[in-house]
Amino acid sequence: DSGVTQTPKHLITATGQRVTLRCSPRSGDLSVYWYQQSLDQGLQFLIQYYNGEERAKGNILERFSAQQFPDLHSELNLSSLELGDSALYFCASSPRDSYGYTFGSGTRLTVV
Amino acid sequence: AQTVTQSQPEMSVQEAETVTLSCTYDTSESDYYLFWYKQPPSRQMILVIRQEAYKQQNATENRFSVNFQKAAKSFSLKISDSQLGDAAMYFCAYRSKSDYKLSFGAGTTVTVRA
Repeated sequence: DSGVTQTPKHLITATGQRVTLRCSPRSGDLSVYWYQQSLDQGLQFLIQYYNGEERAKGNILERFSAQQFPDLHSELNLSSLELGDSALYFCASSPRDSYGYTFGSGTRLTVV
Repeated sequence: AQTVTQSQPEMSVQEAETVTLSCTYDTSESDYYLFWYKQPPSRQMILVIRQEAYKQQNATENRFSVNFQKAAKSFSLKISDSQLGDAAMYFCAYRSKSDYKLSFGAGTTVTVRA
């Protein structure tokens, strides 16, 4: 157990639907990162939050949004889902002054 | 933008032998961090080893060591005394000091033969 908790582990949904992925960072970690791992794009950085505020944005589609709550957990919202959104979505967290971070076990999203 | 290249899609190694995975990266920065992550079939991303660019000494973690060549922008991973549990996808990753995002290579699948 890495200490970063992601739920659900698996999600199957239809095209056009909306889903929410949840991440609880390791205790004390202020930063949360979201990554997408797909067969054709590899591992791509989506977005980072630090202590509730958006810190950096990567290749995140406009249909996707995220937020970090006061208790530091984060949610990634994916809407108007397409078949190509099927992927493994990872959350990671890090302490304030650390250059490395810890990944959760991921949420496997399948869009049918 | 930084790019990370892993030129070996697959590598096979006999148990107890040594295997070296290649990684090159492109950056204009002088201070940055490099990582190797392991992704076993469970899909968990596990940090194997990390290197700070300003440190000339190569990092070592038990059976895992790196050969960091800053001028050549090369960061290879050596797995010594390979074990069956080392079978996984290995990703090389780069992070600049000013940016918290990781840029990953495409990965190398390591198979360990018993």
